[in-house]
Amino acid sequence: GENVEQHPSTLSVQEGDSAVIKCTYSDSASNYFPWYKQELGKRPQLIIDIRSNVGEKKDQRIAVTLNKTAKHFSLHITETQPEDSAVYFCAASTTGGFKTIFGAGTRLFVKA
Amino acid sequence: SAVISQKPSRDICQRGTSLTIQCQVDSQVTMMFWYRQQPGQSLTLIATANQGSEATYESGFVIDKFPISRPNLTFSTLTVSNMSPEDSSIYLCSVGSGSSDTQYFGPGTRLTVL
Repeated sequence: GENVEQHPSTLSVQEGDSAVIKCTYSDSASNYFPWYKQELGKRPQLIIDIRSNVGEKKDQRIAVTLNKTAKHFSLHITETQPEDSAVYFCAASTTGGFKTIFGAGTRLFVKA
Repeated sequence: SAVISQKPSRDICQRGTSLTIQCQVDSQVTMMFWYRQQPGQSLTLIATANQGSEATYESGFVIDKFPISRPNLTFSTLTVSNMSPEDSSIYLCSVGSGSSDTQYFGPGTRLTVL
């Protein structure tokens, strides 16, 4: 069945460094790729998303890239801050969002 | 984005009992979903709540265990039936906007079964 793999499971960086989280998906029909940030005890919050007709999207310190041929997409966080510490989930779905498959999550620690 | 609320926010229940979780949205939405998030784990889709018809369940989840209601476009309930400690999880509803694929999550219900 459909699957989304996410790496690494844990990532520790120094404040100010960059962080990269990578995901691969199996369903070639997937065309929508959101990223969620979940702080401890809180709900997942959408931070950025990308559609299959776009290769890259940026929003301030975060960017997402998509390689449809290789079925890879990645989240890049630059100039990390302690408040970026959270669990990040990638996801893949088809148009209409009828079924969204989530990656296993990456726990990001940003050390001050 | 829509404002989503869930009740209760948390509960501690005895095994063998049932708990009904409510999800309320401040605007009409087409798609409503129920997810389970076990401690330290990712989000697993339980079912899609369909307005006016039976919910669509994912593999591994059945209506007898997780009955769902969706009486209108702003409200849904998920019941966790005949609970066991393995049902201890966070249960989240999410809604999809009609104009995009984006899903927004409710605050979740933290369930502990003793």
